Amino acid sequence: DQQVKQNSPSLSVQEGRISILNCDYTNSMFDYFLWYKKYPAEGPTFLISISSIKDKNEDGRFTVFLNKSAKHLSLHIVPSQPGDSAVYFCAASGGANNLFFGTGTRLTVIP
Amino acid sequence: GAVVSQHPSRVICKSGTSVKIECRSLDFQATTMFWYRQFPKKSLMLMATSNEGSKATYEQGVEKDKFLINHASLTLSTLTVTSAHPEDSSFYICSARFDSEQFFGPGTRLTVL
Repeated sequence: DQQVKQNSPSLSVQEGRISILNCDYTNSMFDYFLWYKKYPAEGPTFLISISSIKDKNEDGRFTVFLNKSAKHLSLHIVPSQPGDSAVYFCAASGGANNLFFGTGTRLTVIP
Repeated sequence: GAVVSQHPSRVICKSGTSVKIECRSLDFQATTMFWYRQFPKKSLMLMATSNEGSKATYEQGVEKDKFLINHASLTLSTLTVTSAHPEDSSFYICSARFDSEQFFGPGTRLTVL
């Protein structure tokens, strides 16, 4: 049972435009959410996170929005750059050690 | 930042042999490490939680006798895939917990012929 879902397997965006990656979760006990960036044959690297007590967290070009009532979070990248092309995973945790990952969205930023 | 290494990065083995994968935290001590497995075009699935000095906690459906985990020190956890079969071919990633965050290793690509 996939508790964290990323329904878009891929996304293509022009350089300079905004990239919006979406993530939905089903477990209302999740209280911490993270986004990871992953290149092929490499481990994920942490990008940005948000606690359930917030609805927005911003770090440079990256902003994560959390809508608890809808159990939805999104990652905004603006402006998008070709180097942002990668697979992005959202992940959630609920106080325990476990991280539950979504299936990933492959972002391609077109120069 | 916290760095986690894995060795080897890639391994090819024959069916029936055992393969050991090492996960090291290079600049911090980690009492808890995690092992994930990623299938092609799929999510990362947590296999087990490795605690230093105690037995690993395996997720449902993961065979503990097949995937042996040893967390011998605060900087090293090993995953041994015993009697590997082609269906064990996958990308295995470890992570180490530091200051309430998880830092991931670069992964190990296992191919079982």
